[in-house]
Amino acid sequence: AQSVTQPDIHITVSEGASLELRCNYSYGATPYLFWYVQSPGQGLQLLLKYFSGDTLVQGIKGFEAEFKRSQSSFNLRKPSVHWSDAAEYFCALPCPTGANNLFFGTGTRLTVIP
Amino acid sequence: GAVVSQHPSRVICKSGTSVKIECRSLDFQATTMFWYRQFPKKSLMLMATSNEGSKATYEQGVEKDKFLINHASLTLSTLTVTSAHPEDSSFYICSAPAPSGAGDTQYFGPGTRLTVL
Repeated sequence: AQSVTQPDIHITVSEGASLELRCNYSYGATPYLFWYVQSPGQGLQLLLKYFSGDTLVQGIKGFEAEFKRSQSSFNLRKPSVHWSDAAEYFCALPCPTGANNLFFGTGTRLTVIP
Repeated sequence: GAVVSQHPSRVICKSGTSVKIECRSLDFQATTMFWYRQFPKKSLMLMATSNEGSKATYEQGVEKDKFLINHASLTLSTLTVTSAHPEDSSFYICSAPAPSGAGDTQYFGPGTRLTVL
């Protein structure tokens, strides 16, 4: 069965510092992978997605993620965090039934210290 | 980009009452919409798939009679929590697939926080 694991429940970084949020997956084949951000009072927003091709994916707001098949990982990175990046981040992949819905990790809450 | 709205954003109700939550795709049509439930500090769990013109498909463990879903049109799906109880208090989020068929991108509504007293 598919699964998505986000090992870090809560991460705190200083503004301007680099960030890496971990995501590990289990899937029968090469999956599509997504990172979403959820800010208070706002809907989930897609940061980036990996379908195929280049394993380093660029997203919005300066985020990037790298798909590593050997490690079954799709970690999200940002070189310099801004205070506005404080939010909940979810890694997700599609359910293998092809129903087009998503299976989410448990999320990582990011706190940014001024 | 495509926008999905939800109404209301927050609702507080007494135990035993029913609550209807609307999910609308504002500038695109969606034959399918998804309803998720998010518990505090936990992930989103898919509850059901709403299908325009046919019955909703519920995930295992989700009570069909408790969570009524109606996909009234190509832009509207409603979730009705019937005879709500405190354990139904949660954050409910809907989503709709991207209209362009761009892979499996979903557009999410802002969510509805339900509190049952």
